[in-house]
Amino acid sequence: DAGITQSPRHKVTETGTPVTLRCHQTENHRYMYWYRQDPGHGLRLIHYSYGVKDTDKGEVSDGYSVSRSKTEDFLLTLESATSSQTSVYFCAISAMGSEAFFGQGTRLTVV
Amino acid sequence: DQQVKQNSPSLSVQEGRISILNCDYTNSMFDYFLWYKKYPAEGPTFLISISSIKDKNEDGRFTVFLNKSAKHLSLHIVPSQPGDSAVYFCAASGIGSGAGSYQLTFGKGTKLSVIP
Repeated sequence: DAGITQSPRHKVTETGTPVTLRCHQTENHRYMYWYRQDPGHGLRLIHYSYGVKDTDKGEVSDGYSVSRSKTEDFLLTLESATSSQTSVYFCAISAMGSEAFFGQGTRLTVV
Repeated sequence: DQQVKQNSPSLSVQEGRISILNCDYTNSMFDYFLWYKKYPAEGPTFLISISSIKDKNEDGRFTVFLNKSAKHLSLHIVPSQPGDSAVYFCAASGIGSGAGSYQLTFGKGTKLSVIP
């Protein structure tokens, strides 16, 4: 397995609370991504990073923010969780122009 | 608007036979295509890729074919095995100078069931 660790692996939270998901890599890859997987939608890009403090929005970025203060860590924050953000979240990493490697996922339930 | 389409949500194949999974794309700027396999409760794992300068790439039982004029690619698995039962995602990325060109755009996936 590529050196990617997502934490937590499972989380249940209440509507309106802030939530932060963490992705940690040991591969020193430049690119990091956050995707969400939902039935009928496949994998959709939320945000991505192409370097420390360099981030950009993906297809479904509303309600999410990210930060990357170190090469190895990419944080995804839901400022005020909603039920529509119940999903499985995957972090991925890649070197430039190559395939991406995915973490094991975080299952988030917003009640 | 969906840029990567997998029109078959599911596919069932007998063990030992060929599995063919299809994928269509609309963005002509895509130049690198990948297939991922996903088991339940696990992250997607990279399977095989192909660059737009090629029309075929083979790795063991897995072969990916690319038809650029038709904007179509397919994944062939021969022979299919029960352990191949999983969801298969097609993905694409583009060249270009922007960092965003390296992001992967995924299809919705095809669930393959290989029947013993």
